[in-house]
Amino acid sequence: DSGVTQTPKHLITATGQRVTLRCSPRSGDLSVYWYQQSLDQGLQFLIQYYNGEERAKGNILERFSAQQFPDLHSELNLSSLELGDSALYFCASSVGVGPYEQYFGPGTRLTVT
Amino acid sequence: AQSVTQPDIHITVSEGASLELRCNYSYGATPYLFWYVQSPGQGLQLLLKYFSGDTLVQGIKGFEAEFKRSQSSFNLRKPSVHWSDAAEYFCAVGNFGNEKLTFGTGTRLTIIP
Repeated sequence: DSGVTQTPKHLITATGQRVTLRCSPRSGDLSVYWYQQSLDQGLQFLIQYYNGEERAKGNILERFSAQQFPDLHSELNLSSLELGDSALYFCASSVGVGPYEQYFGPGTRLTVT
Repeated sequence: AQSVTQPDIHITVSEGASLELRCNYSYGATPYLFWYVQSPGQGLQLLLKYFSGDTLVQGIKGFEAEFKRSQSSFNLRKPSVHWSDAAEYFCAVGNFGNEKLTFGTGTRLTIIP
């Protein structure tokens, strides 16, 4: 158990819909990262937050957004969902800024039908 | 830009045999290197990391990795694999100034009796 929690574990929704994925980092970690993992794209970095502020952006679509709240939990919002958004979404946390080791949550499996 | 190459997509090894998974990185300065393991349907678990110092690092589950600057490599090894080692293995690189980790495409390990 990494100490990172993600909810829900599974999510099935229809195209065009909007969903919110939630992540709670390990106790004491200030950085949260979001990743998308699919068979054709592999593990793709989406976005990083540090202590409530956006820190780094990766291959995140404009339909996707994220935020980190004062209690350090984070939410990833996916809107206008397409079939191609079906993937595993992972949250990871680390102690701070810098290339520290990241601890991954169990992931949310999103299926768009 | 930093990059990571895992040249082997899939490796099959007999139980009890030795294992070496290859990882090559591209980055000018001293990288921060990681190996992660992902079991089916699970999140990524940190096996080991290299930041500086001794180039041979020990990790969990009996794994070790050796940093070779001259070859830009960070290969993962285990002297005797167990059936429970069957999983996907990811190499990742980071560095100060670029806070996100860059992951390789992964190597799937199959263990045969």
